[in-house]
Amino acid sequence: DTGVSQDPRHKITKRGQNVTFRCDPISEHNRLYWYRQTLGQGPEFLTYFQNEAQLEKSRLLSDRFSAERPKGSFSTLEIQRTEQGDSAMYLCASSLGTGKGFNEQFFGPGTRLTVL
Amino acid sequence: AQSVTQPDIHITVSEGASLELRCNYSYGATPYLFWYVQSPGQGLQLLLKYFSGDTLVQGIKGFEAEFKRSQSSFNLRKPSVHWSDAAEYFCAVGAYSGGGADGLTFGKGTHLIIQP
Repeated sequence: DTGVSQDPRHKITKRGQNVTFRCDPISEHNRLYWYRQTLGQGPEFLTYFQNEAQLEKSRLLSDRFSAERPKGSFSTLEIQRTEQGDSAMYLCASSLGTGKGFNEQFFGPGTRLTVL
Repeated sequence: AQSVTQPDIHITVSEGASLELRCNYSYGATPYLFWYVQSPGQGLQLLLKYFSGDTLVQGIKGFEAEFKRSQSSFNLRKPSVHWSDAAEYFCAVGAYSGGGADGLTFGKGTHLIIQP
């Protein structure tokens, strides 16, 4: 168990550019979550995958945001035409969903995005 | 929809003193409750969780929390803090949707400062 990993750890970009982040969950985990955390706030849920299916999206996820999990393993989060308001820490978490009760989520270290 | 309130944005405690961090939740059913800690540059680490059963739960690093349904509270405690406990602490409530997204709703966090 190597934990959840995220790449890159830091990204600085100019307004209007596209960025893509990657998350590698714990290997046997079938559920994957993306959260966004802005300064002074707790993480806010963005979207959720069970295997390769994206099953839920928050209203925070505007049409500039897209997430994929093509083979039910790693996931990517892309932000198109970045805005300064997108500056935040993007956190990925994974869990082993059994369909019985609540499943603990394990978090990665996050990708810090700064939009200039 | 569920919500979490952490009334204290900052708390300062002397090293060796006891600690209590407050958390109040709003959720229509039996909640799944969590406390996470986040140190600079680190991911969210789970301290403890409450799913059911004994209302006093023990966690890692000497932390414990007590679930009080009548007060909708899940306060975190530690009898004697160490300088390494300085960090951001987040309370979260989970909503089990019967096989759907086990989304977490976080509070805004409490920043713990340890005085020597």
